[in-house]
Parts: sequence; structure tokens; C-alpha cells
Amino acid sequence: DARVTQTPRDKVTEMGQEVTMRCQPILGHNTVFWYRQTMMQGLELLAYFRNRAPLDDSGMPKDRFSAEMPDATLATLKIQPSEPRDSAVYFCASAEDLNQPQHFGDGTRLSIL
Amino acid sequence: QKEVEQNSGPLSVPEGAIASLNCTYSDRGSQSFFWYRQYSGKSPELIMFIYSNGDKEDGRFTAQLNKASQYVSLLIRDSQPSDSATYLCASFSGNTPLVFGKGTRLSVIA
Repeated sequence: DARVTQTPRDKVTEMGQEVTMRCQPILGHNTVFWYRQTMMQGLELLAYFRNRAPLDDSGMPKDRFSAEMPDATLATLKIQPSEPRDSAVYFCASAEDLNQPQHFGDGTRLSIL
Repeated sequence: QKEVEQNSGPLSVPEGAIASLNCTYSDRGSQSFFWYRQYSGKSPELIMFIYSNGDKEDGRFTAQLNKASQYVSLLIRDSQPSDSATYLCASFSGNTPLVFGKGTRLSVIA
């Protein structure tokens, strides 16, 4: 079965460090999404791309977060500098298009100390 | 603002019973609806999607859509302890991504 692949699975780092999370979408999917999930807020959409073009990143703090898609097989989410409040599980998902079901990766569990 | 509302639960049902999970949405333009299951510590997994009013059945799962009432539900027949998870409802309308509810936690008691 085709899967969305995320790395790393777990990341623990100190406040102020740069964090980079990577995602390989399912081949042929042209839409990629980044989500953050916490117990309090649930699943929050941070940013999404269609055909590698960023469509909306209004869900993420612009001063420290950035999302890019350098090619069709790689999406990245960076946090610099990281803060303890960024601790959460970050999911990447991909879909054939906006109106199609999204398929989620296993997530990156991020802990900022 | 487009919203999808779900009762957070927990919803507790005995093994073998029917579990009924409900979801309401605010955007009348919503066109399609998706149900995801998320086990603790895991990622959301698509169970079903529905576009048309009425019922859609897949094995033990039935999705029900009533666009006039802006209401979507997921029925799980013959509930098993392995169905214990959080169920997320999501809606799609127009050229924006899925809007997710916060999920309902289901507990099936053996």
C-alpha cells in the first residue's frame, strides 16, 4: 500500500534549536498538508500545497515556522527558533486533490524542552 | 467561519451494540464528508466518505448524511473493543481543505 512517509518519528530538542520535519507524499498526490495536533486544540491545519505551490499558510506562526516543497517528493516544515509551546504531534497528509480523502503519515512527535 | 462540531465523549457502548457518532457542520455549501478513526498514539485513518444524502454502508460501518439538517453520523454495528478510538468528522466545501472536528472518543466495553 502507498503511504505518506514522515521523518523523524520523534524529536526532542532544546528551546531555541531549529527543527526540520520531512514528508514524502504518496506518488501522484498533488496536494500536501501539514497539521499540528494537541490534546487541547485537536487537529490544526498549518499549511498546504497544491502542485508544489503554497496555497495557504495562515495557520502557522510566520515568524518562526516555514513550509516548503522543493520537489514533488518532499515537503518540509521548519521551526526556528523552537519554543516549548511548539511541542505537539505534527502530521503530514497528501491527497489526489483538495476534495479527495487525505492520507496521513505516522506523524512526528516533537518535544521542546 | 466553517465549523464541524462533535461531542468529545467519551461515548461508552457495550460490546456487540451499535455505536452512533454524530457530527454537525455550519457551512451549507459543504459537499462531502469524511470519517477518520484515530487510535491513541497513531495517525488518523480514513474509514468512509459520503457525498449524497442518505446512507452509505461498508461492512459494519454506515455513514448517514442529512444536508437539510447539516448532520452527518457514523454507525458502527456489532461494536468490538478494537473499535475503541477517537473518530474525526471532516467536511469539504469549495476550494478549501477539509475542516476537521475535534473528534469523539469511543470506548467499547467488553
